Amino acid sequence: AQTVTQSQPEMSVQEAETVTLSCTYDTSENNYYLFWYKQPPSRQMILVIRQEAYKQQNATENRFSVNFQKAAKSFSLKISDSQLGDTAMYFCAFGVNTGNQFYFGTGTSLTVIP
Amino acid sequence: DGGITQSPKYLFRKEGQNVTLSCEQNLNHDAMYWYRQDPGQGLRLIYYSQIVNDFQKGDIAEGYSVSREKKESFPLTVTSAQKNPTAFYLCATAPGRGYEQYFGPGTRLTVT
Repeated sequence: AQTVTQSQPEMSVQEAETVTLSCTYDTSENNYYLFWYKQPPSRQMILVIRQEAYKQQNATENRFSVNFQKAAKSFSLKISDSQLGDTAMYFCAFGVNTGNQFYFGTGTSLTVIP
Repeated sequence: DGGITQSPKYLFRKEGQNVTLSCEQNLNHDAMYWYRQDPGQGLRLIYYSQIVNDFQKGDIAEGYSVSREKKESFPLTVTSAQKNPTAFYLCATAPGRGYEQYFGPGTRLTVT
């Protein structure tokens, strides 16, 4: 069975500071992809960053970067220079090459404090 | 203007009535998905479709039905058999395996 766990239901960070959101997953597959999605109050799901499991290099996208530890099945998201617009629900997800399903965590609600 | 549209944004129904949620895409993506989102929970998969005229049940398919007669359209019917239909429903598409999913704006369904 494929599972995704986000152990931090809520987090907060001061504007301009750095915050790290945790995610662990469990799968027996070897070829898979990992994602972080952002869901602001508008409830539109927006892709933040993507990581291929076969790549050792951690993905980065402007202020967003990941720490991917394949052996530990860990995939954390680091947000640098936090902005008020980063306030949102963040979901970790992964998909496997052998199937068409995605597996989502329960989300972390992040609040950026001015 | 490419994208995924879901209509309506808000939908109200009386208990015992079936209701159909629309999902249309012009991204030419093969795969389409329906998710349900409840407070404090992640996204739960209802149904998904990889090609026209084919679809598979997800984790919570009971009380729901779908069709995929066209590549662009994947409507979801919430039947009266669904015990707790009030929720936020998200439609998503993907170009294929290994790719990220793209989401529509969602429909908030309230059944009273």
